[in-house]
Amino acid sequence: KQEVTQIPAALSVPEGENLVLNCSFTDSAIYNLQWFRQDPGKGLTSLLLIQSSQREQTSGRLNASLDKSSGRSTLYIAASQPGDSATYLCATFLGSARQLTFGSGTQLTVLP
Amino acid sequence: GAVVSQHPSRVICKSGTSVKIECRSLDFQATTMFWYRQFPKKSLMLMATSNEGSKATYEQGVEKDKFLINHASLTLSTLTVTSAHPEDSSFYICSALNPGSASTDTQYFGPGTRLTVL
Repeated sequence: KQEVTQIPAALSVPEGENLVLNCSFTDSAIYNLQWFRQDPGKGLTSLLLIQSSQREQTSGRLNASLDKSSGRSTLYIAASQPGDSATYLCATFLGSARQLTFGSGTQLTVLP
Repeated sequence: GAVVSQHPSRVICKSGTSVKIECRSLDFQATTMFWYRQFPKKSLMLMATSNEGSKATYEQGVEKDKFLINHASLTLSTLTVTSAHPEDSSFYICSALNPGSASTDTQYFGPGTRLTVL
């Protein structure tokens, strides 16, 4: 059974800092990995999706990397802003199970 | 882009009553929808996979008689929490697969429904 772990559980940084969120998973036979953003009491916003054959994806100030062999992914946020404050979730899609498995998230607070 | 809606966004009910939550794909037909449950500061847990025209597939530990799922059309799936109790209070999120998208395994998520059972 796939297990997805996110470290740290919470992170507080001053505005302007670059930061890295970590995600690890136990079953490397993933089809893809996705990073989501969740604001309090809201649904999920997809940020980046990395296919199993890819090493990284970039969107604006966000860069996600994937190392399947080691079961790890990172989400890099450059020049953080208070508007980036949210919970960030990573999720893996296993082709065999055809379902998403989510980590418990990292709650990010960017202080002005 | 693909849009998924949920209704209601919030519901408060008395213990023992049943509550129905709707999940709609607004601009695409979804043969498969998923229902998740999220506890405070916890991850999303898959409850069941809903396929149009057939019975839902429930994850281990999820009571199918407690959480009734109906996927009667290609744009609508409903989750009914029967005889709700305070421990059923949670955030329920649905998602839908868009078979017409470039990535057929991409799930589009609804905004969630906050259920509070008194």
